[in-house]
Amino acid sequence: DTEVTQTPKHLVMGMTNKKSLKCEQHMGHRAMYWYKQKAKKPPELMFVYSYEKLSINESVPSRFSPECPNSSLLNLHLHALQPEDSALYLCASSQEIGTGRLSYNSPLHFGNGTRLTVT
Amino acid sequence: QQQVKQSPQSLIVQKGGISIINCAYENTAFDYFPWYQQFPGKGPALLIAIRPDVSEKKEGRFTISFNKSAKQFSLHIMDSQPGDSATYFCAARGEYGNKLVFGAGTILRVKS
Repeated sequence: DTEVTQTPKHLVMGMTNKKSLKCEQHMGHRAMYWYKQKAKKPPELMFVYSYEKLSINESVPSRFSPECPNSSLLNLHLHALQPEDSALYLCASSQEIGTGRLSYNSPLHFGNGTRLTVT
Repeated sequence: QQQVKQSPQSLIVQKGGISIINCAYENTAFDYFPWYQQFPGKGPALLIAIRPDVSEKKEGRFTISFNKSAKQFSLHIMDSQPGDSATYFCAARGEYGNKLVFGAGTILRVKS
C-alpha cells in the first residue's frame, strides 16, 4: 500500500457544490503535489508545495484551490467545477534534499487518488 | 523540448517473453529518468529509475537501458508475467526541479 493516503477514494459532486480532497503523508517529505489524470493519459501537474509554501501553480483555474495546513497534509478545495474536470486526482510527495530537485534519491511518491465525477 | 515521446502505445506479450518500451527526449538538461507502473484504480508507483551517467540499471526482472548520445532510454521486462499487465510511464525531470515530464504511457498486457 502507498504511504500517501488520499480521501475520499470516490467523489461525485454537482457543478454548484463545494467539496475538498485530502491527502496525508507521514514520510517526513517537505514537498507535496497535486496531479490530475484523465483516462489513458499521463498525470498532469497542477500544484507543488515546498515547505508548506506554494511553489508551482500550472495555471490551474481558480475553481481549484490548494491548501497545505502543515508538512503532512495537503487539501484541494473544489468549487463550481465543470463536467470536464472529472478525473483521477493524485496527491504525491517527495523529500526536499539539497536543491529540492526530484532525483534518484528524492523520488516522487503517489497516492492512489480520488476518482472525481462532476455531474 | 519539454516532451518525452513514448512507444508503443500498447503492447501484448506472451508470458515468459520480453516486454520492451522505448522513450526519447530532446532536452539535454534532463538528468533524472524514472519509470512508473500503474494498475487500474491505483496511483502510479515508482518502478525503477536511472541517472544519465549510467548506461544500464537492473532491478530483478526490470532493466533500464540508457543511451545518452541518442537521447533514448528503454524499459525491458524479462520473463514477463500476467501480473505485469499495467500501464507504464517513462518520465524525465524537466527544467524545474520539482516537475516531471511524462511520456504518454504504454498499456502492457501479458497473455498467459
